[in-house]
Amino acid sequence: EVQLVESGGGLVQPGRSLKLSCAASGFTFSNYYMAWVRQAPTKGLEWVASITNSGGSTYYRDSVKGRFTISRDNAKSTLYLQMDSLRSEDTATYYCTRGDAWGQGASVTVSS
Amino acid sequence: ETVLTQSPTTTAASPGEKVTITCRASSSISYMHWFQQKSGASPKLWIYDTSKLASGVPNRFSGSGSGTSYSLIISSIESEDGAPYYCQQKSSEPPTFGSGTKLEIK
Repeated sequence: EVQLVESGGGLVQPGRSLKLSCAASGFTFSNYYMAWVRQAPTKGLEWVASITNSGGSTYYRDSVKGRFTISRDNAKSTLYLQMDSLRSEDTATYYCTRGDAWGQGASVTVSS
Repeated sequence: ETVLTQSPTTTAASPGEKVTITCRASSSISYMHWFQQKSGASPKLWIYDTSKLASGVPNRFSGSGSGTSYSLIISSIESEDGAPYYCQQKSSEPPTFGSGTKLEIK
């Protein structure tokens, strides 16, 4: 069974950092392009970042470029999202996804 | 970026009725994907590559379209179908989502 389990969410002050992890199981992680998608409270879905299966290429939405870094460790079947210089508008549930499978989400709240 | 405009924003239908949700792209795309998201749950892939049903999706659902206009159609609504539905394109970077259509069951 395909499983994606996010961790690392929480409450953080503006300007601080947080790192999300997504542990994958049930499939060959290194074969898949992966992404982070977020959803602010009561809002729609918003793509955040993607990474190719090898990790050689990464893509970001404009509002997080230079602040967020997506990475992966194929040996550990784990996806990461390093989030720096966090802003209140980054408050959301962050989902790890391979497109056809999604994690349960990690809640990130940026507030003083 | 390719902007996806969904309509309607909200719709209500009675069991047995037909519902169509439309997603228009600001530029031509190759495929459209659709997600269903029940309250408090993660999104689920519902229709992929415009017209292919994801595993477990009832065949009362269908998808169609090409170019800049795509649709998700439910031929005969059932109570379990009430949820927001989102379209998504990955044909051009960055991937984008529509703003969602909330389907309510009367």
